[in-house]
Amino acid sequence: DAGVIQSPRHEVTEMGQEVTLRCKPISGHNSLFWYRQTMMRGLELLIYFNNNVPIDDSGMPEDRFSAKMPNASFSTLKIQPSEPRDSAVYFCASSLGELEQYFGPGTRLTVT
Amino acid sequence: GENVEQHPSTLSVQEGDSAVIKCTYSDSASNYFPWYKQELGKRPQLIIDIRSNVGEKKDQRIAVTLNKTAKHFSLHITETQPEDSAVYFCAAIPGGSYIPTFGRGTSLIVHP
Repeated sequence: DAGVIQSPRHEVTEMGQEVTLRCKPISGHNSLFWYRQTMMRGLELLIYFNNNVPIDDSGMPEDRFSAKMPNASFSTLKIQPSEPRDSAVYFCASSLGELEQYFGPGTRLTVT
Repeated sequence: GENVEQHPSTLSVQEGDSAVIKCTYSDSASNYFPWYKQELGKRPQLIIDIRSNVGEKKDQRIAVTLNKTAKHFSLHITETQPEDSAVYFCAAIPGGSYIPTFGRGTSLIVHP
């Protein structure tokens, strides 16, 4: 298996633009997580899907952030409009139930 | 909700020394405790985990201990090597939740 796949790996955009991050979980995994990592706040859970259904989105910062999982093999995290404070590394991770989470390589987002 | 405290935030050791990182958790329902290693610019990767029905687990030079009564668990690395230099994260997951709460991370520096 290729592991968790994320795209793009790097994204540089201007404030106010829409940003879409993509994730393909490991085949057969039924849980998917989106995290944001910054030096100031560490690793934060944004949203958790189980069997394609959002279970906990309490970590989503505000209405500018939205996430979808239309099927078991694809998820998106969208920021609209983006702001400089959204600059961070965004990780997607998948797992089978409560077992080990496998992280993707991350997307480094820079908003200028 | 769960709260995980991790100490120290930075740990500097000489090659060959032992390193110990400690975490405390608040939710007595937590029963799964993974440890992740994140090298600079890379993704977090699981290095060892422990469940609440076990007090200690070892894997070569790394070990994890768990004290359920005191609600704390620790990572022990013996005979440290420069390649052990990384940020280490602990996490706690309540039974049936699948949602981890991560500690803030410990930056381990091993000097040759």
